[in-house]
Amino acid sequence: KQEVTQIPAALSVPEGENLVLNCSFTDSAIYNLQWFRQDPGKGLTSLLLIQSSQREQTSGRLNASLDKSSGRSTLYIAASQPGDSATYLCAVFSPTGAGSYQLTFGKGTKLSVIP
Amino acid sequence: EPEVTQTPSHQVTQMGQEVILRCVPISNHLYFYWYRQILGQKVEFLVSFYNNEISEKSEIFDDQFSVERPDGSNFTLKIRSTKLEDSAMYFCASGRPTDTQYFGPGTRLTVL
Repeated sequence: KQEVTQIPAALSVPEGENLVLNCSFTDSAIYNLQWFRQDPGKGLTSLLLIQSSQREQTSGRLNASLDKSSGRSTLYIAASQPGDSATYLCAVFSPTGAGSYQLTFGKGTKLSVIP
Repeated sequence: EPEVTQTPSHQVTQMGQEVILRCVPISNHLYFYWYRQILGQKVEFLVSFYNNEISEKSEIFDDQFSVERPDGSNFTLKIRSTKLEDSAMYFCASGRPTDTQYFGPGTRLTVL
């Protein structure tokens, strides 16, 4: 059964710092990995999707990397801003063993960017 | 930009009552999903739906849950007899299985 872990659970940084969020998964047989942002009491906003054949994806100040063989992904946020404060979720899309696929989430990293 | 919408945003119900949560997926998507997030917990997969049938369901999705696509636009989750532990945020998502899943804003279900 796929398990996704995110470290750290919470992170507080001063504005302008670069930071890295970590995600690990137990089963490397994944189809893709997706990073989401969740604001308090709100839905999930997709940030980046990395297919299993890719090593990284970039969108603006965000860069996500994937090392499938070691079961790890990182989300790099450059020049952090207070508006980046949110919970960041990692999710992997992987086979269930019953011929289908399922998105499995980590618990998230709660990021606070201090002005 | 197209988005997934969900209604209501907040539903309060008494234990044992039936509730129907509604979703309008993005129009050209063919795969639809329901997830739930109990307060402070992980987002958990409930069910996926394709071609008018369930393609995958988790162990959470027992006989008290059902899904339906009653017309060409809506996708619903029914909980037949709600329990206190069903209180959670329920998210609908749509997409393709190997591509980005787009999530709705969620329905907060409170069972009293």
